[in-house]
Amino acid sequence: GESVGLHLPTLSVQEGDNSIINCAYSNSASDYFIWYKQESGKGPQFIIDIRSNMDKRQGQRVTVLLNKTVKHLSLQIAATQPGDSAVYFCAETALFGNEKLTFGTGTRLTIIP
Amino acid sequence: DTEVTQTPKHLVMGMTNKKSLKCEQHMGHRAMYWYKQKAKKPPELMFVYSYEKLSINESVPSRFSPECPNSSLLNLHLHALQPEDSALYLCASSQALSNEQYFGPGTRLTVT
Repeated sequence: GESVGLHLPTLSVQEGDNSIINCAYSNSASDYFIWYKQESGKGPQFIIDIRSNMDKRQGQRVTVLLNKTVKHLSLQIAATQPGDSAVYFCAETALFGNEKLTFGTGTRLTIIP
Repeated sequence: DTEVTQTPKHLVMGMTNKKSLKCEQHMGHRAMYWYKQKAKKPPELMFVYSYEKLSINESVPSRFSPECPNSSLLNLHLHALQPEDSALYLCASSQALSNEQYFGPGTRLTVT
């Protein structure tokens, strides 16, 4: 399944399938991006980050893709599990000069057993 | 220790009360942050401290007063709040400004 961020803030995916969550960021000066996962009643939890000198970074079951040309970020989660159900936020900042981390609107991912 | 702790977990206060939220980290981080998060919304930055000095105040009303007594502690003093201030208040820390931020579990505040 795939979300388009602002236009589709919820995403339901069958357990075991792959999911893609998209994010359009706003500031062309941003050069550091983070994906956070927030479960109900908890604070945001770091998943993966990427710097602007890269276009892809992989973690365990997660991959982040960065397209600076169109200011687009995506999070791919492979072989989804029930524990992946949460709200996912992308966040952007500039490594030098801008202390602010700006969050996107978030996408709620629901894994269907 | 890779944890940011926040107390209390829940707080209910009247509009005339004075209360404080506390945040603590022992990761040696030199930047600490307060965020406010309303339901179904992303966290909104309120304050940033860098090396125990206030670096950013995002035009937050004066009824919210931050304090950084030392590099491990961050407080948020609350006075004369409004019902619309009810939210989840998140604390975060990072090794330096603009690095990966670690978040605490938040304090769920209800103003009656």
